Amino acid sequence: KAGVTQTPRYLIKTRGQQVTLSCSPISGHRSVSWYQQTPGQGLQFLFEYFSETQRNKGNFPGRFSGRQFSNSRSEMNVSTLELGDSALYLCASSYHPGTGQETQYFGPGTRLLVL
Amino acid sequence: GESVGLHLPTLSVQEGDNSIINCAYSNSASDYFIWYKQESGKGPQFIIDIRSNMDKRQGQRVTVLLNKTVKHLSLQIAATQPGDSAVYFCAENMGNQGGKLIFGQGTELSVKP
Repeated sequence: KAGVTQTPRYLIKTRGQQVTLSCSPISGHRSVSWYQQTPGQGLQFLFEYFSETQRNKGNFPGRFSGRQFSNSRSEMNVSTLELGDSALYLCASSYHPGTGQETQYFGPGTRLLVL
Repeated sequence: GESVGLHLPTLSVQEGDNSIINCAYSNSASDYFIWYKQESGKGPQFIIDIRSNMDKRQGQRVTVLLNKTVKHLSLQIAATQPGDSAVYFCAENMGNQGGKLIFGQGTELSVKP
């Protein structure tokens, strides 16, 4: 079974631009979560989607948004990019969030550099 | 606040020795814990998990111990190998927040041949 895939793997943008990142979960997985990883802040939760609905959201500004499609694939969007948005963006999938006791499997991430 | 902290940021061990990576969590409501391994340029890789109704769980060469009294989690790696060199993260889930994971800062494990 293929793992979580993320595209693109690397991205360079300039301040003020917007970016869309894509995530395809493991086949059969219905929940997708997004995390931002930086050297200073570590891994931080962005949001979680299940059945095309956002179930949970982390403490990030409204410039960060996401969505999930009927095939469970997910996208996240960052508008008006800032230098501090440079990070590794990770997507994780699980079968069903349920009580939260579901193993989440991560993709390789998208490395975003904002200049 | 939300935090899952690690006692040691770096750990260096000799090949063949056992490694112990520690993690303190702050939320007593957390009921599910996971250890991940992250190698350079890759996403976190699931190692082992444990639920709050257990205090020990074993996998292949790895054991996770959970002490709810002092809110402490540890990962033991037996016969550490060079391929175990990576950053290890503990993560907690509070159950009532869906799949949201709160991660620790990470411990870098370096295995000397």
